[in-house]
Parts: sequence; C-alpha cells; structure tokens
Amino acid sequence: IQMTQSPSSLSASVGDRVTITCRASQDISNYLAWFQQKPGKAPKSLIYGASSLQSGVPSHFSGSGSGTDFTLTISSLQPEDFATYYCQQYNSYPLTFGGGTKVEIK
Amino acid sequence: EVQVVESGGGLVQPGGSLRLSCSASGFTFSTYAMHWVRQAPGKGLDYVATISGNGDSTYYADSVKGRFTISRDNSKNTMNLQMSSLRPEDTAVYYCVKSSVFGTTIFDYWGQGTLVTVSS
Repeated sequence: IQMTQSPSSLSASVGDRVTITCRASQDISNYLAWFQQKPGKAPKSLIYGASSLQSGVPSHFSGSGSGTDFTLTISSLQPEDFATYYCQQYNSYPLTFGGGTKVEIK
Repeated sequence: EVQVVESGGGLVQPGGSLRLSCSASGFTFSTYAMHWVRQAPGKGLDYVATISGNGDSTYYADSVKGRFTISRDNSKNTMNLQMSSLRPEDTAVYYCVKSSVFGTTIFDYWGQGTLVTVSS
C-alpha cells in the first residue's frame, strides 16, 4: 500500500492552523498513524486509529479521515511543533510510511 | 518506565553481515510484538520487520526478505536483527519499536536508534 503525503514541506508561524494530508493507494479503514520527528531524534508516536491521541500528546493535535484520505491538524502551531511528520498505514503488511512533511518556521 | 535500547551498529563492507540487538525494560516483553524501522541519512522512515510476542510470526519488507532475520529471546527481553548480504542502500539508522497495547501493528515507544553504515 502506497502512502502519499502533501505537502512535502510548509512554512508557518506560531499560532497558525496547519493541515497535513495523507492518501492511501487503497482502503485502509482507520488503520492510520501519525509520527513526529525532530532533527537528530527518534520519531515520536502521535496518533493511532486515524484520530486517537497517544498518551501525553497535546490536544492541539488532531487526526481525522477513513478509507483512503486522512488529515493531521495542528490547531495552533507551537514552537516545539516544528518538525517532520509522517503518516503510516498498519492495515496490512508490509507496513508503509508516507514520505514526510517538514513543518518549518516562516 | 518503558525503555528500548538498540546496539550493534557499525561499519560493514558490502556483502557482509551484522547483528543488531534491542534490549527492552519496563514492560512485559513477551506480551508485545516488536518492530524494526530504518531511516537512511536525510530520508524518510522505512519499515523493516516485525516479530510477534511469542516469536511465532514474522513479517519483512520486500527489500530485506531473504537477507534479514528477526528473532527474539523473551527470557532475556531482547530482540535481534541478523543482517546478511548487506548493500550500500541498507545504510541507515535502525530503530527498535515496541507495539502498543491497542494493537500489534500500532507503534508505541521508539528507541534512539543505531547507525549501520555499509561501505568499502
């Protein structure tokens, strides 16, 4: 299953609402996760089941979608949110990731 | 506190072999599936392999099938990745990932990674 993220990068300011999209090449129901990665660090799990926040993840992150189209929304961008975000399908093996979206400071 | 710590990375020549290990603590290791994910320098995340909690089931990316073998020793709370016939394109940071209580294919905690460099 191919996962396509858009955009590949974006520039935004603190306080902005940011939306990242992820499209699967076939129906994956809600078996979709999102990860955040900062430079030089391991990825961090943010969301599973398309919309369920992992423990400790701030509530200004949210996810939505089902089937083939999904969205990660950051409602009010914080300084610590500047990072690269990846989606991943876990509907079937081999598990696959999107190419990533780099969120940069405007 | 949940911890997963990778070890065993290093420089290896093309065609060579290397064995990575992941040491786990802070949870009942045998209850959880475990995964390997890699990231080539400056690139995105790339799934490598999965092993079930009891070790009976394994899954691999097509790019490593037949060359890599995932295994685990639940008595030692460790998971391994035996890599052979290594290629320059296998150069990456390799992450050990614990699955979630919500599902075997849901990623939870990530280790800090170990770097594998395949070069002559």
